[in-house]
Amino acid sequence: DTGVSQDPRHKITKRGQNVTFRCDPISEHNRLYWYRQTLGQGPEFLTYFQNEAQLEKSRLLSDRFSAERPKGSFSTLEIQRTEQGDSAMYLCASSLVDRPYEQYFGPGTRLTVT
Amino acid sequence: AQTVTQSQPEMSVQEAETVTLSCTYDTSESDYYLFWYKQPPSRQMILVIRQEAYKQQNATENRFSVNFQKAAKSFSLKISDSQLGDAAMYFCAYRPLQGAQKLVFGQGTRLTINP
Repeated sequence: DTGVSQDPRHKITKRGQNVTFRCDPISEHNRLYWYRQTLGQGPEFLTYFQNEAQLEKSRLLSDRFSAERPKGSFSTLEIQRTEQGDSAMYLCASSLVDRPYEQYFGPGTRLTVT
Repeated sequence: AQTVTQSQPEMSVQEAETVTLSCTYDTSESDYYLFWYKQPPSRQMILVIRQEAYKQQNATENRFSVNFQKAAKSFSLKISDSQLGDAAMYFCAYRPLQGAQKLVFGQGTRLTINP
């Protein structure tokens, strides 16, 4: 069990650029979650997948954000036309359907928009 | 909407002493889970302890225990025999038993351990 992994760990981009993050969940975990954590705050839910289906999206997920999990394994989170307000830590978590209360978190991708 | 509030932005404790972190929440649900997560500096968040609201007995995990007061919607974490490795941000979180799958987090408490 290698845990949840995220890539890259850090990303610096200029305002207006597009960025994509990847999350690899624990193998056999069929649920995958994305959260955003700004400095000094707790994580806020963005979206979650069960297998390849995106079942819930937060209002925080504006139309510049898109998430996919095409084969029910890894997931990508893309932010188009980045803004300085997008600077945050993006966390991924995974769980089993029958144990949804056990969400395992990855190390996060820290995004800095300059 | 459910909310979680941690009113202590920072706490400190002497090594080997006991510290209690506070958390209150608001929900209209009767069945739910409450959690304490630990986020060490530059490291990933890990689950410390979980409490099911339908269980009256307070959860315990080694040096970590909770005081769950359902009527008061209070959920505090007690760390006994504090160790240097306990230094971290601690987040209280809520999730309903049914329905929404997301965790709702509080703002966090930064715990410092003084040697």
